[in-house]
Amino acid sequence: GAVVSQHPSWVICKSGTSVKIECRSLDFQATTMFWYRQFPKQSLMLMATSNEGSKATYEQGVEKDKFLINHASLTLSTLTVTSAHPEDSSFYICSALTSGRVVEGFNEQFFGPGTRLTVL
Amino acid sequence: QKEVEQDPGPLSVPEGAIVSLNCTYSNSAFQYFMWYRQYSRKGPELLMYTYSSGNKEDGRFTAQVDKSSKYISLFIRDSQPSDSATYLCAMKGAGSYQLTFGKGTKLSVIP
Repeated sequence: GAVVSQHPSWVICKSGTSVKIECRSLDFQATTMFWYRQFPKQSLMLMATSNEGSKATYEQGVEKDKFLINHASLTLSTLTVTSAHPEDSSFYICSALTSGRVVEGFNEQFFGPGTRLTVL
Repeated sequence: QKEVEQDPGPLSVPEGAIVSLNCTYSNSAFQYFMWYRQYSRKGPELLMYTYSSGNKEDGRFTAQVDKSSKYISLFIRDSQPSDSATYLCAMKGAGSYQLTFGKGTKLSVIP
């Protein structure tokens, strides 16, 4: 159980276009999802926290107008990279919290397989 | 100084060797310490987590946390080629969902 999927797994787009990435929790409901970005040989950097039915909370330095996040249901969050540029090329990973599985105060995040974005 | 420091490697060991991976951190508020395994072009998978200081063992894997030194370790015994992956340490404070990751150490176990 606790499977998170992402679609697409790999996308190539032209500079200036927008790209939407979907993150789904397949077998559980996730009130909170997270979006990370990972550049080559770098750590995962949290971009934003997405809560179902409310506005996302963005980390410092992340442009909310460029990275649009929508968490319209308990199983789906989307990240739209608007007017993408080559410097946005990265590996985007989402994760989801399972509200019902808390052990020793630890609530595990389950990660999706990631989406590799290449902007030409 | 970054919050979490992890030697990116790469680390190459022969099959059957004991592998030692480690991270240091600066934020004393961190209470939960995790190790994730990430295969190429895949999302991270949780291996183990430890709350506060101490050791935790799960099969061939042992996690150690020394909060006084702000140092955590992951040991892999009898390493297998299937253990070849990037290992990420991550940490978070109590009551927080936000994870802070290290850069990851790329491990290759040679048959």
